Amino acid sequence: QVQLQESGPGLVKPSETLSLTCSVSGGSIRDYYWSWIRQSPAKGLEWFGCINYSGTTHYNPSLRSRVTILVDTSRNQVSLSLRSVTAADTAIYYCARGVWFADPRGWGLDPWGQGTLVTVSS
Amino acid sequence: EVVVTQSPDIMSVSPGERVTLFCRASQSVKGDLAWYQQKPGQAPRLLIYGASTRATGFPARFSASGSGTDFSLTISSLQSEDFAVYYCQQYDSWPYTFGQGTKLEIK
Repeated sequence: QVQLQESGPGLVKPSETLSLTCSVSGGSIRDYYWSWIRQSPAKGLEWFGCINYSGTTHYNPSLRSRVTILVDTSRNQVSLSLRSVTAADTAIYYCARGVWFADPRGWGLDPWGQGTLVTVSS
Repeated sequence: EVVVTQSPDIMSVSPGERVTLFCRASQSVKGDLAWYQQKPGQAPRLLIYGASTRATGFPARFSASGSGTDFSLTISSLQSEDFAVYYCQQYDSWPYTFGQGTKLEIK
């Protein structure tokens, strides 16, 4: 059973870079897209973007200028970097696996990591 | 960007009741819609994909339907463990976007 675990600093100063890692266990990072999503009271659930094992990415245009998502297949990890953070970036950050279902056809984020709270404050 | 709007924001309901939650997209997303359940302190969990297919682990009292711009999620007889926040998400076009959620609370 695939499990995801986010890790990284819980406190980041304004204007600095937020860096998080998602470690995937119980399965290979291949064959899927891996997404980053955050959740805050102000913005609800916000999808950052996703990456596959070969490094192909899709980013949310609203965040594209500040976001980099990378994959490390040797470590079965996906990382998120968010530059120039402000208090508005305070949120719970999740990673999740994007799964395509064949029959019936469909897609969904499954599973999700437990999430990690990141606070932006000086 | 496709804007996804859920209604209502909050529903106060009693155990055993039948409830229907709604999700509307600002443009057609065909059948490319998923629903998630989130309980306090937990990550969202995939409930429905392809607008109407239940994900593994969810009982038959959960059903969903819709296509194009209008979708619904029905819980036929609310159990105590169903009180949670439900989100819909479209995956027809980038960026994939979520609704703001509907909270089911106990009346």
